[in-house]
Amino acid sequence: GAGVSQSPSNKVTEKGKDVELRCDPISGHTALYWYRQSLGQGLEFLIYFQGNSAPDKSGLPSDRFSAERTGGSVSTLTIQRTQQEDSAVYLCASSRTRGTEAFFGQGTRLTVV
Amino acid sequence: QQQVKQSPQSLIVQKGGISIINCAYENTAFDYFPWYQQFPGKGPALLIAIRPDVSEKKEGRFTISFNNSAKQFSLHIMDSQPGDSATYFCAASRETSGSRLAFGEGTQLTVNP
Repeated sequence: GAGVSQSPSNKVTEKGKDVELRCDPISGHTALYWYRQSLGQGLEFLIYFQGNSAPDKSGLPSDRFSAERTGGSVSTLTIQRTQQEDSAVYLCASSRTRGTEAFFGQGTRLTVV
Repeated sequence: QQQVKQSPQSLIVQKGGISIINCAYENTAFDYFPWYQQFPGKGPALLIAIRPDVSEKKEGRFTISFNNSAKQFSLHIMDSQPGDSATYFCAASRETSGSRLAFGEGTQLTVNP
């Protein structure tokens, strides 16, 4: 596709439910990032995939958060047993190689009620 | 640990004025310094980037000044316009050896008409 695609664009879920957020990176991009952005706040790094290397999971806030990237392309961020503090916009970005220009998707706005 | 520190957190400028946002970093291995612009409801988009082989880069009204010895870089927006009102993020990475982008905390710029 022309850009990074994220789905859904909005998600409202009940506290305690699991959610899956999807990211389709730009074709051919080997690096993929997940960030979280709370209202009016900065970008909180969550996880980074680079090619076939082990992902950098150092930003995941708890073991309720996990992510995978299948076939070096699509990525899914899973949040188990959601809490109200998980409410935020989840942004995905991809880049051609590591450390270069990152292209962001529009984000998924998650609201936990 | 915040690898890139950004200031100010918010900035209000009159139309036609100069907006200046500053960033500082610690890791001397960083060799790629981009700035991202984010409008409400959108993902961040690359605005301008610089590498350490130059001390300044200008694109239209936007200029990055880079001081390698002081480990600082800044964004100057000349003749600021209301349409420039957005959140700006600086970032850094080790492009040549590979690393994920480290983002600053963001600056919310408001340009008054």
